[in-house]
Amino acid sequence: GNSVTQMEGPVTLSEEAFLTINCTYTATGYPSLFWYVQYPGEGLQLLLKATKADDKGSNKGFEATYRKETTSFHLEKGSVQVSDSAVYFCALSPSGGSNYKLTFGKGTLLTVNP
Amino acid sequence: GAGVSQSPRYKVAKRGQDVALRCDPISGHVSLFWYQQALGQGPEFLTYFQNEAQLDKSGLPSDRFFAERPEGSVSTLKIQRTQQEDSAVYLCASSFQGGSYNEQFFGPGTRLTVL
Repeated sequence: GNSVTQMEGPVTLSEEAFLTINCTYTATGYPSLFWYVQYPGEGLQLLLKATKADDKGSNKGFEATYRKETTSFHLEKGSVQVSDSAVYFCALSPSGGSNYKLTFGKGTLLTVNP
Repeated sequence: GAGVSQSPRYKVAKRGQDVALRCDPISGHVSLFWYQQALGQGPEFLTYFQNEAQLDKSGLPSDRFFAERPEGSVSTLKIQRTQQEDSAVYLCASSFQGGSYNEQFFGPGTRLTVL
C-alpha cells in the first residue's frame, strides 16, 4: 500500500535558521505530493504541492521538489520565522481512481525561537 | 468566507456510549471526507462523499462507525458503543469538485476522548 515517512520531530530552530524536513514515500505509479501545515488550534492547510516528477512546489518561502528517483519530497525554507512554528505533514494522493484518498506522514512539530 | 466547521470541538464519552460528530463543509463543495487522527499520527482516511452519495467507506475501522450526508451538505459521523481505541481527533474536509483530486480544506477537528 501507499505510505509516507517523514522526519521525526520535534525540530527546534532559532529565527532565520535554515529548515529541512525530510519526506519519502512509497506508492505505485505517479502520485501527487503535498505538504500540509497545522498551526495551533487550526485545521490543516495546504502549504504546497507538486503533481509530477521534478516539479517544485513553493509557497510562503517554503519549497519542495518532487524527486521520483529518490521517492522524496523534502520541505525547505531558507530563513524560518517564529510564525512558522506549527506541525508539518507530508502527504500523497495516489494516481488513479482513488486520488482523493490522502495518505499522510506522522507530522513534524517545528518550534522556532526568537 | 467561512471554512469547514466541526462540532463539538471536544467530546468526552464513557465507553459504550454512542457519539455523533458534525461537519459543516464549505458552501457549494461537492466532496466531503472524514479522517481519523490518533495521537502522534497523521490523519487516516475514513470515508468519502460526493454530494449525498457515500462513494468510499473503505477506511471505516468497524461497523460501529457510520457516516451520512443526507442532503449533500452537512455530514455526521456516528460511532456506536465507543471503545477506548476510538479516542482520536476526527477531521472533516471538503473540496469543490468530485472526481479527480482537488484541494481538500480541513476543519479544526473534534477531539474525542473515550474513558
